[in-house]
Amino acid sequence: GAVVSQHPSWVICKSGTSVKIECRSLDFQATTMFWYRQFPKQSLMLMATSNEGSKATYEQGVEKDKFLINHASLTLSTLTVTSAHPEDSSFYICSARNGGHEQYFGPGTRLTVT
Amino acid sequence: DAKTTQPTSMDCAEGRAANLPCNHSTISGNEYVYWYRQIHSQGPQYIIHGLKNNETNEMASLIITEDRKSSTLILPHATLRDTAVYYCIVRARDDKIIFGKGTRLHILP
Repeated sequence: GAVVSQHPSWVICKSGTSVKIECRSLDFQATTMFWYRQFPKQSLMLMATSNEGSKATYEQGVEKDKFLINHASLTLSTLTVTSAHPEDSSFYICSARNGGHEQYFGPGTRLTVT
Repeated sequence: DAKTTQPTSMDCAEGRAANLPCNHSTISGNEYVYWYRQIHSQGPQYIIHGLKNNETNEMASLIITEDRKSSTLILPHATLRDTAVYYCIVRARDDKIIFGKGTRLHILP
């Protein structure tokens, strides 16, 4: 149990376009979802926390207008990278919590902006 | 900021026990010690967690010192598939997970 999926697993987009990444909890209801970003050879950096039905809380230094997060249901959160640029190329990972204190991580989405 | 200190990297021979240390000298009474690992290009995988007692599951054992200022993750019989970055994380139950730099564990054939 406690499976989190992400779609797509990898995406290539052109500079200036927007790309949406989906995060789904497959067998539980996720009251809280988290989005992380990881650059090569670095650790995961928390970008934002989202609770179902409310606005996301962004970590310091993360542009909320660039990284749009929607958590419209208890099983789905989306991250939209708007006007993507090559420096946004990264590994994006979501995780979900079901009201308990365990956090379950998705497999990640690799974004490459050309 | 991460509340833990871990060695940057470690090597372990295949079949031997891998002992990964973690210092968390500022841990609070309500904070747990969690261990996750990340195999290359995958999402983090939960390993084990504990509050003050030693814990064991099918993957690993967690030894927490009596003063709770440090802990050791033990993989009893390391295999090549255990090569990964191991993260020791200290957090209260409802806190978000903040990752430090972790320990890069190399299992040597």
